[in-house]
Amino acid sequence: GNSVTQMEGPVTLSEEAFLTINCTYTATGYPSLFWYVQYPGEGLQLLLKATKADDKGSNKGFEATYRKETTSFHLEKGSVQVSDSAVYFCALTVKDKIIFGKGTRLHILP
Amino acid sequence: NAGVTQTPKFQVLKTGQSMTLQCAQDMNHEYMSWYRQDPGMGLRLIHYSVGAGITDQGEVPNGYNVSRSTTEDFPLRLLSAAPSQTSVYFCASTRAADTEAFFGQGTRLTVV
Repeated sequence: GNSVTQMEGPVTLSEEAFLTINCTYTATGYPSLFWYVQYPGEGLQLLLKATKADDKGSNKGFEATYRKETTSFHLEKGSVQVSDSAVYFCALTVKDKIIFGKGTRLHILP
Repeated sequence: NAGVTQTPKFQVLKTGQSMTLQCAQDMNHEYMSWYRQDPGMGLRLIHYSVGAGITDQGEVPNGYNVSRSTTEDFPLRLLSAAPSQTSVYFCASTRAADTEAFFGQGTRLTVV
């Protein structure tokens, strides 16, 4: 079946550290891949996306590359800020559904 | 733009009561979905719709009903609330299957 697996949290980093949140997927066909972010008390909002193999999505200093050969879409940021503290969800769309990973909570310490 | 609007934001129900969570979007999106978010479980799809008059079940549909009489509205009905339905509920809409999803602010439901 179709699924998304992302690294368990919480992840705690110091400000300006390098961030990687791993995401791998299983899907039939050619899904589009997304990262969403959820700030406390809010709904999810799109962070970045990629719609085909080797595409790189980027936004607010975050990047992720659609790797078909490893079925991965890892999220990276070179220098995190306290304001990046949130829950991050990897997701894919296949046919008419969006399938989410379980989310990774990120804490950034000043 | 209002985007996706969910009401109410908070609700407490007694076991066995019924209620409807409202969701409306003003972006003329065809696709709408309901999710529940529980600690350690991520977002699980309850029901979804690909257009007015068309609905389908997601991963955890039991105990919930939906209808889609208009493009704008996609209410979620709890038929007989149970403590296991205590959760945060999110409604989302998308223009097409592989485009960005827009989420409401969520409804925090407690069933006692």
